[in-house]
Amino acid sequence: AQSVSQHNHHVILSEAASLELGCNYSYGGTVNLFWYVQYPGQHLQLLLKYFSGDPLVKGIKGFEAEFIKSKFSFNLRKPSVQWSDTAEYFCAVKSRVGTASKLTFGTGTRLQVTL
Amino acid sequence: EAGVVQSPRYKIIEKKQPVAFWCNPISGHNTLYWYLQNLGQGPELLIRYENEEAVDDSQLPKDRFSAERLKGVDSTLKIQPAELGDSAVYLCASSLGAGGGTDTQYFGPGTRLTVL
Repeated sequence: AQSVSQHNHHVILSEAASLELGCNYSYGGTVNLFWYVQYPGQHLQLLLKYFSGDPLVKGIKGFEAEFIKSKFSFNLRKPSVQWSDTAEYFCAVKSRVGTASKLTFGTGTRLQVTL
Repeated sequence: EAGVVQSPRYKIIEKKQPVAFWCNPISGHNTLYWYLQNLGQGPELLIRYENEEAVDDSQLPKDRFSAERLKGVDSTLKIQPAELGDSAVYLCASSLGAGGGTDTQYFGPGTRLTVL
């Protein structure tokens, strides 16, 4: 069974600071990887996804993530955060094989950006 | 393009009462999902539909939970009777394809259920 670990439960940063949120997954096969964001009072939105190709994936709002297969990691980064990035961030993994694959989420990281 | 629509957004009921949630997926999306999200946790799949067929309901507590997607479009999730531990956010998502590895899911705003 696949699982996802997000080690940082709550991160507090000042505006303009750099961000890196950790995500590690456990699965023996080939996976597709996702980061979702949930802004306060809003629904889960897709931030970026990795299926294949360049392991450095760029998403919306200046976010990027790097897939490192040897480390089973898919960390999310942003060079300079803004107050509006305050949200909860979820990493998710899905098996690439078959139609019965399930999307498995991590427990989320709450990011608080202060002015 | 309209996103996934869910109603109600909030529901407060007393334990042992029934409750139902409704979801309308993105137009043209064949696959529909219901998730449960407890406070401080990520969403967990309850049931997945491909058109009107429930293809994965292994995580649905069938003694009190039921779901239907009769015409392969909108869906209803029901709890009867509700228990205190059912307080959570119930999310609906939809995707274009058959739920395979590259299929991307889009989420609705959720229904926040409080059981007193």
